[in-house]
Amino acid sequence: QKEVEQNSGPLSVPEGAIASLNCTYSDRGSQSFFWYRQYSGKSPELIMFIYSNGDKEDGRFTAQLNKASQYVSLLIRDSQPSDSATYLCAVTPSGGYNKLIFGAGTRLAVHP
Amino acid sequence: ETGVTQTPRHLVMGMTNKKSLKCEQHLGHNAMYWYKQSAKKPLELMFVYNFKEQTENNSVPSRFSPECPNSSHLFLHLHTLQPEDSALYLCASSQPLAAVPEAFFGQGTRLTVV
Repeated sequence: QKEVEQNSGPLSVPEGAIASLNCTYSDRGSQSFFWYRQYSGKSPELIMFIYSNGDKEDGRFTAQLNKASQYVSLLIRDSQPSDSATYLCAVTPSGGYNKLIFGAGTRLAVHP
Repeated sequence: ETGVTQTPRHLVMGMTNKKSLKCEQHLGHNAMYWYKQSAKKPLELMFVYNFKEQTENNSVPSRFSPECPNSSHLFLHLHTLQPEDSALYLCASSQPLAAVPEAFFGQGTRLTVV
């Protein structure tokens, strides 16, 4: 069983729409959850961090965490072509506060 | 310079060569990492160093040999690699137990083994 699972996509949404990216994880004791964005040929950069159940909003981005369902999602409102990238979900496993386990990423394509 | 810097950005090496990847961070972090990114696969954690000490080796073949002389520098020594080792190698650093313990990544070294 994969530790962190994401749909590889591509997820294609029109400009201005809401993009919904999903991630599930297997370690029930996972503590912290991250969403990274990676443009082609570039390194990953952090866009959201969440550790409590519920929603966390930052500008056009909302992260949602449900620990009971072992599910974390990222919503991008008013999607822009510049949001086209691969989005990586990462979790800090139980007992591993200083390492991140990544999913394979979901490729998002926002078309004009 | 700021952030995490990796050199070289691109490397082509033969299977009998020996080469080294270098990573330097200017963020004052105490943890450094090597990750491998292959096409359509998750980022694979290879090694973790905390305060210069290796705290994790994720079953990495011995043809990859890390070195961490201080908290700011991390090396990955390569020898007798295989073509399947071709990938993007990413270095990262973080400050464990920080309020947001995010990993900051370097730009990576694109390695091709021929």
